[in-house]
Amino acid sequence: DAGVTQSPTHLIKTRGQQVTLRCSPKSGHDTVSWYQQALGQGPQFIFQYYEEEERQRGNFPDRFSGHQFPNYSSELNVNALLLGDSALYLCASSLGASGLYEQYFGPGTRLTVT
Amino acid sequence: EDQVTQSPEALRLQEGESSSLNCSYTVSGLRGLFWYRQDPGKGPEFLFTLYSAGEEKEKERLKATLTKKESFLHITAPKPEDSATYLCAVLPWGSGTYKYIFGTGTRLKVLA
Repeated sequence: DAGVTQSPTHLIKTRGQQVTLRCSPKSGHDTVSWYQQALGQGPQFIFQYYEEEERQRGNFPDRFSGHQFPNYSSELNVNALLLGDSALYLCASSLGASGLYEQYFGPGTRLTVT
Repeated sequence: EDQVTQSPEALRLQEGESSSLNCSYTVSGLRGLFWYRQDPGKGPEFLFTLYSAGEEKEKERLKATLTKKESFLHITAPKPEDSATYLCAVLPWGSGTYKYIFGTGTRLKVLA
């Protein structure tokens, strides 16, 4: 049973560019959340997708957007990259409309903005 | 404002030296509290979910407990492979609240 997968593993971008990160949830999971984790910090909630809709958003600007596909996979897009966007981006999947069940995380995508 | 605070920030233990990590939270109402383990450069690994005060969960050398204001992760006779960052997260009550709030973690180092 494949767990949560993310691609790419590492990415280097220049300020002002745009980036797309991808996530495939754990088999059977229908909910995907995205997090940003700066070095030495806990994960910060970006948004959560369920039934192809963004159902909650954290305190992130509109430069951060996402999408969920019918097969439950998801993308995170970041426009107009800033140096401060450098971080580990984590995708987590879970099951159910309640949003209450444990989340399973992927290995993350390390984004470096220069 | 909903908040999660973990202490200590870092902890060094000798192999076999038991200890506890603390996660205190301030939320309007608690739907669930989650413990994760994170190794360097990797995604968090799920350990436990606790839903109500008085609840306890165990897994190998780890035991998680929950009160109305905090949770403890007890580590009994730790081994070097238990070295990791331990993260606590809460899911508050509220209409449409699906936002998990994480603490900054406790970095545990177990020395052989």
